[in-house]
Amino acid sequence: GAGVSQSPRYKVAKRGQDVALRCDPISGHVSLFWYQQALGQGPEFLTYFQNEAQLDKSGLPSDRFFAERPEGSVSTLKIQRTQQEDSAVYLCASSLRDVRGNQPQHFGDGTRLSIL
Amino acid sequence: AQTVTQSQPEMSVQEAETVTLSCTYDTSESDYYLFWYKQPPSRQMILVIRQEAYKQQNATENRFSVNFQKAAKSFSLKISDSQLGDAAMYFCAPRLSGAGSYQLTFGKGTKLSVIP
Repeated sequence: GAGVSQSPRYKVAKRGQDVALRCDPISGHVSLFWYQQALGQGPEFLTYFQNEAQLDKSGLPSDRFFAERPEGSVSTLKIQRTQQEDSAVYLCASSLRDVRGNQPQHFGDGTRLSIL
Repeated sequence: AQTVTQSQPEMSVQEAETVTLSCTYDTSESDYYLFWYKQPPSRQMILVIRQEAYKQQNATENRFSVNFQKAAKSFSLKISDSQLGDAAMYFCAPRLSGAGSYQLTFGKGTKLSVIP
């Protein structure tokens, strides 16, 4: 596709439910990132994949958060037993293979998650 | 913890005038990259400009330019001939982590309003 695609755009869930957020990166982009953006704040890093390998998950706030990218393309961020503090916009970004850390990241429109 | 400070929560500029958004950061590394992203209400994070820390020359991209002061760890964004479409949240995002971990560290953002 032309850009990073995320779905759904909006998700409302009751506290305690599980949710799954999808990210379809730009074709050919081997690096994929997930960020969490709370209201009025800048995005905060959650996790990073290079192809199917999850190389950094240091930003995941708890073991209720799980991300996967089994075939090195589409990624899913899953949140189990959601809590109100999980309400945020979840942004996905992708980039070309980044050897020196200089590749710009291309972002999707995000999924706005609201936990009632 | 590495920090990024954008000291201006909100700024306004008259259409066609020039505005400068400030950003300071903290890092012990010598080679890194710095990015400015723009986020309009549609939520998609859009790359505005990129600077490589080892380059002394300040980056420019059409009406956008940076003032990079490495010793002061300062990375400000100048927007010339401001246009209504420039109204958005602007985030400074250095890539501060060590080799192999390429997440962006975002500031809290500056909301820019453009007055017709």
